[in-house]
Amino acid sequence: NAGVMQNPRHLVRRRGQEARLRCSPMKGHSHVYWYRQLPEEGLKFMVYLQKENIIDESGMPKERFSAEFPKEGPSILRIQQVVRGDSAAYFCASSPPFGTSGGNEQFFGPGTRLTVL
Amino acid sequence: GENVEQHPSTLSVQEGDSAVIKCTYSDSASNYFPWYKQELGKRPQLIIDIRSNVGEKKDQRIAVTLNKTAKHFSLHITETQPEDSAVYFCAASPGYALNFGKGTSLLVTP
Repeated sequence: NAGVMQNPRHLVRRRGQEARLRCSPMKGHSHVYWYRQLPEEGLKFMVYLQKENIIDESGMPKERFSAEFPKEGPSILRIQQVVRGDSAAYFCASSPPFGTSGGNEQFFGPGTRLTVL
Repeated sequence: GENVEQHPSTLSVQEGDSAVIKCTYSDSASNYFPWYKQELGKRPQLIIDIRSNVGEKKDQRIAVTLNKTAKHFSLHITETQPEDSAVYFCAASPGYALNFGKGTSLLVTP
């Protein structure tokens, strides 16, 4: 059973370009979360999605950032017009439906390390 | 929102000793408290978790305790080994979003 997959693992962008980060949850998991980790810091919640629905995006900056989890395909975190401060590791996590055994447990992908030049 | 404080930020122990990491949280609605281990450049890995209806949970050399009244929880690692060296994060969740502490860098020296 493959774990959470993320790609690319490393992404370099110049200021003003767009960054697209992809996340495929574990099989059987219907909930996806995105977190950002700055160097020497803990992870910060950005957004929580279910298939075709954004449930909570309270941790995501209002401008330039968007997320989706379509009916088919991976979840995508999109950052438009990147700036140097966007450089960070972006982790995706997935969990099984709530109410099932271990419904809260979140399993993380390997992360995408974004560098903005 | 939830605020999670974690201490110490760094911890160095000798192989075989015990290590204790403590966290406090602010939101009394938090009911799920996982601990993650993150090695350099790797993904955070869930090592143990506890829910608010339980006071203590143990899994081999690791244990977690929760004091809901005082709003604090702790990770205990016994008989530490060099491969336990990593950054450990606590988290608290009132629903789904995990609110993380800033991490403890644990170094186990042979």
